[in-house]
Amino acid sequence: DGGITQSPKYLFRKEGQNVTLSCEQNLNHDAMYWYRQDPGQGLRLIYYSQIVNDFQKGDIAEGYSVSREKKESFPLTVTSAQKNPTAFYLCASSSAIRSYNEQFFGPGTRLTVL
Amino acid sequence: AQSVTQLGSHVSVSEGALVLLRCNYSSSVPPYLFWYVQYPNQGLQLLLKYTTGATLVKGINGFEAEFKKSETSFHLTKPSAHMSDAAEYFCAVSESSGAGSYQLTFGKGTKLSVIP
Repeated sequence: DGGITQSPKYLFRKEGQNVTLSCEQNLNHDAMYWYRQDPGQGLRLIYYSQIVNDFQKGDIAEGYSVSREKKESFPLTVTSAQKNPTAFYLCASSSAIRSYNEQFFGPGTRLTVL
Repeated sequence: AQSVTQLGSHVSVSEGALVLLRCNYSSSVPPYLFWYVQYPNQGLQLLLKYTTGATLVKGINGFEAEFKKSETSFHLTKPSAHMSDAAEYFCAVSESSGAGSYQLTFGKGTKLSVIP
């Protein structure tokens, strides 16, 4: 089955540590996205990528970094510079960045900073 | 920048009653609009989308939404609520981020509870 996988489902981090969230898709989609979800805040865009080896900052990129070395993979690193990283993180993809294309979402990773 | 307003962070309906979840958007150009559903601790699933053409859009699980340009609204409805409809619902609008690329701007979500 085609889809988006995110791992791990739950992640715990100590303050001051960097942590990397995995996102893989086998939908052959060009575009991929990372969102952060906090209760009552909706989804906020962290980073997005239209093609391999290219990515752009979203609305809340500070304290995060990404890479896009393969079409299928778009890992997100939450660095120690992110002051409040505890949140639910969602990865998404779409066939291209067009105004009418829907995004397909993975199951999410819940990050908790201890 | 475009924005999306979902009226009511929590909505409760009785099983079998009409479901109405409200969404208003701000846009200076014809918008593309989406409704997603999220079950607890899961990702988002597309319910329906409006691009062009018919203003009444039918989606999955018996949901539909009507695009009303004059009211800048895209409210989601379902004639008869089921217990399985209990979830959080997000309205989103497609917005240009320059250089031919687009982003989705999401509302803050409406949590639907269905009372037996």
